[in-house]
Amino acid sequence: GAVVSQHPSRVICKSGTSVKIECRSLDFQATTMFWYRQFPKQSLMLMATSNEGSKATYEQGVEKDKFLINHASLTLSTLTVTSAHPEDSSFYICSAPPTGYNYGYTFGSGTRLTVV
Amino acid sequence: DQQVKQNSPSLSVQEGRISILNCDYTNSMFDYFLWYKKYPAEGPTFLISISSIKDKNEDGRFTVFLNKSAKHLSLHIVPSQPGDSAVYFCAASGPRDDKIIFGKGTRLHILP
Repeated sequence: GAVVSQHPSRVICKSGTSVKIECRSLDFQATTMFWYRQFPKQSLMLMATSNEGSKATYEQGVEKDKFLINHASLTLSTLTVTSAHPEDSSFYICSAPPTGYNYGYTFGSGTRLTVV
Repeated sequence: DQQVKQNSPSLSVQEGRISILNCDYTNSMFDYFLWYKKYPAEGPTFLISISSIKDKNEDGRFTVFLNKSAKHLSLHIVPSQPGDSAVYFCAASGPRDDKIIFGKGTRLHILP
């Protein structure tokens, strides 16, 4: 079945540095990738939608310059947290929507970011 | 290989009846299970969870049952309401909560 590989699974970085999170669709082409952030009450907040070949669509309240999203190819989408702060510490997860090959949503395994 | 499986892509249930959404998992190390609900164009929202030390957790119209021996959990919604029409995701996490593994989702249609 469809698989989205997300790396790294855990990362600790210093304040002010940048961290890149990658999501790769391994056996299918994902023209769209959703990026979520999980908050303490366990809801996943949609941050942005990346689209191959065009600019990402950001949800209201999400800083575009801070959370850089790039959909470089049909199999790779990246989220870069720039100038990270401790409040950016969270669980980030990507998801590819259903395609012709895959009836359901496919989630990455998530990235636990800790900013110290 | 999928560690969390939702084998029914969709389910239709009459309004007022019980909706039962099923989920199977393969990793016996999972110790926490969650259900999320997703409307179109929105992110999934948390519904209910259950720890592996329990076999049932209830919250209003929603009840989750866990059968560890069968590695199976189910979400019961009763009575089903039109607003329950959405995609439901089953998810699981391990002891260190390093990652959450999601199923592919089941689309629930509540029929009038």
